Amino acid sequence: DAGVIQSPRHEVTEMGQEVTLRCKPISGHNSLFWYRQTMMRGLELLIYFNNNVPIDDSGMPEDRFSAKMPNASFSTLKIQPSEPRDSAVYFCASSPLAGGSWEQYFGPGTRLTVT
Amino acid sequence: GENVEQHPSTLSVQEGDSAVIKCTYSDSASNYFPWYKQELGKRPQLIIDIRSNVGEKKDQRIAVTLNKTAKHFSLHITETQPEDSAVYFCAAGGNTGNQFYFGTGTSLTVIP
Repeated sequence: DAGVIQSPRHEVTEMGQEVTLRCKPISGHNSLFWYRQTMMRGLELLIYFNNNVPIDDSGMPEDRFSAKMPNASFSTLKIQPSEPRDSAVYFCASSPLAGGSWEQYFGPGTRLTVT
Repeated sequence: GENVEQHPSTLSVQEGDSAVIKCTYSDSASNYFPWYKQELGKRPQLIIDIRSNVGEKKDQRIAVTLNKTAKHFSLHITETQPEDSAVYFCAAGGNTGNQFYFGTGTSLTVIP
């Protein structure tokens, strides 16, 4: 199993540009989570999906952020327009949901720098 | 939503000593408490978890205790080794779904 796959691994963009982060969860996992990690705020849960349906997006900082999960094997997190304060590492994680295991398996993260 | 506080933010111990990290949570309905370890530049990985029907759980050199009445839980690492140096995150959740919320992390340094 390849684990959770995220792309790109690094993204450098200018303020005002649109940024799209991508995630492929582990096959068979039904839950997908997007986190943002910064030194100041730690690991923040932005949004999560169960069976491709958004369950809780209360962590999404503002309307500039949006997330989709069109199918069980792909999700995107989009920032439009991007701002320097969006610079962070964005992690995607997936979890089996069924079977009583709630362990979340994290991807390698996308390091976003907005200049 | 859930609010998780974690202390201390940094911790240094001598190799072979024990390390203790403490967390408190706000939502009494939370019933799942995992601990994640994140090495520098790497992704967080689960090291141990506990559910609210259990007061203590142990796995080799690591153990977690839970006090639901006081709404706090702790991670204990015994016989620390240099490879235990990392940032450790506690989390709490599970009351409304399978999501949980992380504490702010503890940077543990084990001095050889």
